[in-house]
Amino acid sequence: GAVVSQHPSRVICKSGTSVKIECRSLDFQATTMFWYRQFPKQSLMLMATSNEGSKATYEQGVEKDKFLINHASLTLSTLTVTSAHPEDSSFYICSAIDRGVTKNIQYFGAGTRLSVL
Amino acid sequence: AQRVTQPEKLLSVFKGAPVELKCNYSYSGSPELFWYVQYSRQRLQLLLRHISRESIKGFTADLNKGETSFHLKKPFAQEEDSAMYYCALSGGSQGNLIFGKGTKLSVKP
Repeated sequence: GAVVSQHPSRVICKSGTSVKIECRSLDFQATTMFWYRQFPKQSLMLMATSNEGSKATYEQGVEKDKFLINHASLTLSTLTVTSAHPEDSSFYICSAIDRGVTKNIQYFGAGTRLSVL
Repeated sequence: AQRVTQPEKLLSVFKGAPVELKCNYSYSGSPELFWYVQYSRQRLQLLLRHISRESIKGFTADLNKGETSFHLKKPFAQEEDSAMYYCALSGGSQGNLIFGKGTKLSVKP
């Protein structure tokens, strides 16, 4: 099956620094990738949808300047948490769609646990 | 408003008992419904989707448009079915998903 790799799996950073999370589709081209945030014991909350070569579409309430998304190629999307603060600590998950083969099925990365001190 | 409701946070059954995880949705058009599963320490993965009309690991789910439901069922639960189950709806043109809050299924020996 389709594999999505997410890196790093865990990151600890100081308040005020920026953190970049990578999401790669390993064996397919992902025209669309999604970024989610999951709080403890809660469901996934969609943050943004990114399409290769265009600007990401952010969900209401998600700060564009805070969570920078770049989808420069068909196999890579990155999420940068800028000037991170303790309230940004969370579990971030990416997913990708291979529209050419299995339309609308999202394949998920293993997630990144961000801890901001 | 688009919404997915999973009324049960936790469902506990004994091995061999039938299990039904409830899911109701709210959507104005024709949605595509999914069940995703997350086993302990593993990533979220697709279990089944309504358009496939297939049984995966003994689980089935039927879309009932009249009741706007997509309940997940299995006649005889196994211990390895213990996991977090998320019902999800896709209605946007980009395939974005709206997730329910999830139901934790615990199958006891």
